[in-house]
Amino acid sequence: GAVVSQHPSWVICKSGTSVKIECRSLDFQATTMFWYRQFPKQSLMLMATSNEGSKATYEQGVEKDKFLINHASLTLSTLTVTSAHPEDSSFYICSARRVDYEQYFGPGTRLTVT
Amino acid sequence: RKEVEQDPGPFNVPEGATVAFNCTYSNSASQSFFWYRQDCRKEPKLLMSVYSSGNEDGRFTAQLNRASQYISLLIRDSKLSDSATYLCVSKNTGFQKLVFGTGTRLLVSP
Repeated sequence: GAVVSQHPSWVICKSGTSVKIECRSLDFQATTMFWYRQFPKQSLMLMATSNEGSKATYEQGVEKDKFLINHASLTLSTLTVTSAHPEDSSFYICSARRVDYEQYFGPGTRLTVT
Repeated sequence: RKEVEQDPGPFNVPEGATVAFNCTYSNSASQSFFWYRQDCRKEPKLLMSVYSSGNEDGRFTAQLNRASQYISLLIRDSKLSDSATYLCVSKNTGFQKLVFGTGTRLLVSP
């Protein structure tokens, strides 16, 4: 089966610092990866669509300068939360789309900003 | 109005019960539909796709009514391990984006 990993699985950082989250497709190439955010008791909300070798497409209301996305290879996309604040504390989940258009989710990264 | 709406629950049922979840969607351009299961603090996992003709996978049956823009999931003979949040998901074929409902929480008790 297709496997997607995320690193780190959880992170605690201080307000004002930046945090980088990695999403890797381990056994397939993913030209497209998606980044989601989930607040407690809420649904997954798509933040941005990341295409290998091009700029990410952000959903309405998501600040592209705050959430930097880089998709430099067919197996790796990174999300950097810059100048993190407590309200950025959330569960960040990526998914990678295989050539057959099936999407596979990573295990998520729990970010806590103090 | 949310694009995909679900009753958040929780639905508390005893083991062995049959339980049904409903979901409505507002985007008529949505082409594909799915039910995902999400355990606490975990990523969502695909439970099953939903087809217009209705489909069954073991104890799980999914139905889609395009005219009413309504999707359902029926779970028969509930197990303790079925306790989770069930997410109704739509996908617009053009953009390939998944749109998640807020989920319906199911608690199965002994």
